[in-house]
Amino acid sequence: DTEVTQTPKHLVMGMTNKKSLKCEQHMGHRAMYWYKQKAKKPPELMFVYSYEKLSINESVPSRFSPECPNSSLLNLHLHALQPEDSALYLCASSQDAVGYTFGSGTRLTVV
Amino acid sequence: AQSVTQPDIHITVSEGASLELRCNYSYGATPYLFWYVQSPGQGLQLLLKYFSGDTLVQGIKGFEAEFKRSQSSFNLRKPSVHWSDAAEYFCAVNYGGATNKLIFGTGTLLAVQP
Repeated sequence: DTEVTQTPKHLVMGMTNKKSLKCEQHMGHRAMYWYKQKAKKPPELMFVYSYEKLSINESVPSRFSPECPNSSLLNLHLHALQPEDSALYLCASSQDAVGYTFGSGTRLTVV
Repeated sequence: AQSVTQPDIHITVSEGASLELRCNYSYGATPYLFWYVQSPGQGLQLLLKYFSGDTLVQGIKGFEAEFKRSQSSFNLRKPSVHWSDAAEYFCAVNYGGATNKLIFGTGTLLAVQP
């Protein structure tokens, strides 16, 4: 299996809702990432997990809460989001500096 | 600061014409270098990458890129563009280290005229 699987593909949520994005890989990669991509902009790094430990938080608001339950799974818990948080959320994994694999993303709309 | 620059925000070429998309990186050390393509509403697809060895790298879909250390550049080329190549192209760099942080350029939107 050489893929990163993200679910759901689309999500619409209200500002008072709690939802979660899921990312899964079975390549044995040691690092997993969350990126946020607004329309017509490049992906921006949010979080990095290395060996299931949070190693980078790019000053992301606390309404985004990452979780890495095991080496294959990465979640992003969402709570009290704002409309400006609407974006494409991309998950990626890597074993080293050159072996990145991206998922197809979750398109999030906050209403 | 570590950064990557794509000077061209938007490029239009005719189908069948050649293409070159520019990418420059900052910082003294040679990073790992990548080109990704993204069609509207889609995820990122890796075109090619460079980390060592031959400075001319071949990728998928007929793309190639050349690493030039003296110019801190990693420009993407294609000899003959197809209409299906219309998309957003991102150059990305990774300077390695413990976190393997991938940093993206601002992107170049390619339009292809018939």
